[in-house]
Parts: sequence; C-alpha cells; structure tokens
Amino acid sequence: AQTVTQSQPEMSVQEAETVTLSCTYDTSESDYYLFWYKQPPSRQMILVIRQEAYKQQNATENRFSVNFQKAAKSFSLKISDSQLGDAAMYFCAYAGNNRKLIWGLGTSLAVNP
Amino acid sequence: NAGVTQTPKFQVLKTGQSMTLQCAQDMNHNSMYWYRQDPGMGLRLIYYSASEGTTDKGEVPNGYNVSRLNKREFSLRLESAAPSQTSVYFCASSAHSAGSSYEQYFGPGTRLTVT
Repeated sequence: AQTVTQSQPEMSVQEAETVTLSCTYDTSESDYYLFWYKQPPSRQMILVIRQEAYKQQNATENRFSVNFQKAAKSFSLKISDSQLGDAAMYFCAYAGNNRKLIWGLGTSLAVNP
Repeated sequence: NAGVTQTPKFQVLKTGQSMTLQCAQDMNHNSMYWYRQDPGMGLRLIYYSASEGTTDKGEVPNGYNVSRLNKREFSLRLESAAPSQTSVYFCASSAHSAGSSYEQYFGPGTRLTVT
C-alpha cells in the first residue's frame, strides 16, 4: 500500500526568506501524481502544485516549486520570498492508479514578520 | 462557476440525531469524495463515488451512508450521530477521466459538533 510521510509537523520562516517542506512516499507504481495542498486558517483546501511522475522537470507555480526525486521517492516544496499569507497547513498527497489521494499528516508553516 | 459547494457550514447535533450533509459541484466531474479531518489525523476518506451510480467505502465508513444523487450531487448521511463523529467534513471532486491529472477540488468544509 502507498504511504505518504511528512516528517516536519511544524516549520517557521522569516518573511521574504525561503523555506522547504519535506515529503516522502512509498509506492510500487510507476505512473502517479503528487500534489501539495495548502490549508489556511479559513479551512479551505487549495491546490498549490502538482507533479506528474513521468515528467523529469520539476513543477513550478510562481513562488512555489518542487524538488521531485523519483528514485528517492521524495517530493519537497520550496516556497521562495515567503509572505504572511503563506502561513498555513501544507499537505502532501499521492494519487496512483486508483485515483484516490493518499495524504500526509501535514506541516504547519508559520511566517514571522 | 462556484466549484464545489457544501451545506451547512456549521452544525451542532445531539447524540442520536440524524442529518445529511449536502455537496454539489458544477465542474462536470465524474468522481466525488467525502473526507473527515481531525486534529493530528490528516484527511481520511469516508466514501467516494467514482462515477454516477457507484459508491464505495473509504478508510472510515462506519456510521455513514452516502447517495450519489446525480452527476453533480453527493450527500453524506449520519443516521445516528455519535460524539466520535465530531469533525470537519470535506467534499471533493475530480475529473477522473482519461487525460485528467487526478487532482481533487474541495468544498469549504462543514464543522460538525456532536454533543
């Protein structure tokens, strides 16, 4: 069975600095997707970025980028130029052939002014 | 285009009462999901519907029933609420079709308290 592990329950970053959130996963599938979702205090789950496993190029969305290491089964999220609005819970998720999402337990990110 | 909508946003029930959480999506998605989110537990799948007319159990289905009313709507029913069902409930949908990238889109959530 697939699993997703986020080893950092809490992280903090200074405004305008860069932070990296870690995620590792375990799977025997070769074709899958990985996602980072953001959950701010409003509770709304927001898709931040997605990565297709067959693509070697790391996905980027504005200040958010990933470091996808398929052989190491690692999928970290880098947030550049951190802003106060980035403070949230961040969840890593995996979707394989059955298309159900397997979720990590989340990393709570605080942004200090 | 409202995306995924859920009603109600908040609800307080007494033990033993029943209620139905409503969810609708206007993205023409095939698949819909119900999750619960508890502190320290992340998101856990209760039930899902891969397509209209089908439903399947997820990780924590006990105490819940679902109905996929049509392609747009997927409801979650608590027949006899228990304090252990106090949680935040999310509905989500995804395209689940050839060429789609599997991501799920979420409603705003329902905070349910059972006393």
